[in-house]
Amino acid sequence: DIQMTQSPSSLSASVGDRVTVTCRASQGIRNDLGWYQQKPGKAPKRLIYEASTLESGVPSRFSGSGSGTEFTLTISSLQPEDFATYYCLQHNSFPYTFGQGTKLEIK
Amino acid sequence: EVQLLESGGGLVQPGGSLRLPCAASGFAFSSNDMTWVRQAPGKGLEWVSSITTGGGSTYYADSVKGRFTIFRDDSKNTLYLQMNSLRAEDTAVYYCAKGGWMEVWGQGTTVTVSS
Repeated sequence: DIQMTQSPSSLSASVGDRVTVTCRASQGIRNDLGWYQQKPGKAPKRLIYEASTLESGVPSRFSGSGSGTEFTLTISSLQPEDFATYYCLQHNSFPYTFGQGTKLEIK
Repeated sequence: EVQLLESGGGLVQPGGSLRLPCAASGFAFSSNDMTWVRQAPGKGLEWVSSITTGGGSTYYADSVKGRFTIFRDDSKNTLYLQMNSLRAEDTAVYYCAKGGWMEVWGQGTTVTVSS
């Protein structure tokens, strides 16, 4: 099974900050990775697919990069509505696996 | 607009069964793979199962293999998850999602396994 190691598990930041979340795969997964945002009590929402393609309607302050085993999600300038939990997902091979999540909190 | 509506959740005793339907609309259901994901209280996301178009192939997490069955009825635009031999650790919100890549999610349905 492919393990996805996501870091950090939590992050405290301020509005306007630039933040980066990282996912590391235990083996190469090409660019078969998505990033999801989840707010309390809500379903996850996909932000990025194929590691770096922004979902339609997602603000351009979100970006993704990486291929193989190292991936990053960057928010260039945090907005109040961005405080949420973020997950990566590898869909290269079954069983699909999520990272453990990164809870982004207001400083 | 793509919509996915899960139902069928509730309280069930250990060893019991539940069937979760997910009604799909706003897209060509029969042309899409589909997926179930769950989230235990206060925990992260766990992929549960996926099914390809036409039900040709199904995939399961080891934690549910042999107990859960994913299937679809394309004539009703509905995905299902049949859950048998339920355990306390199956307690979670269950989401269905469009595609193997989980591009759109339903709002979820809560399953509680407890005596």
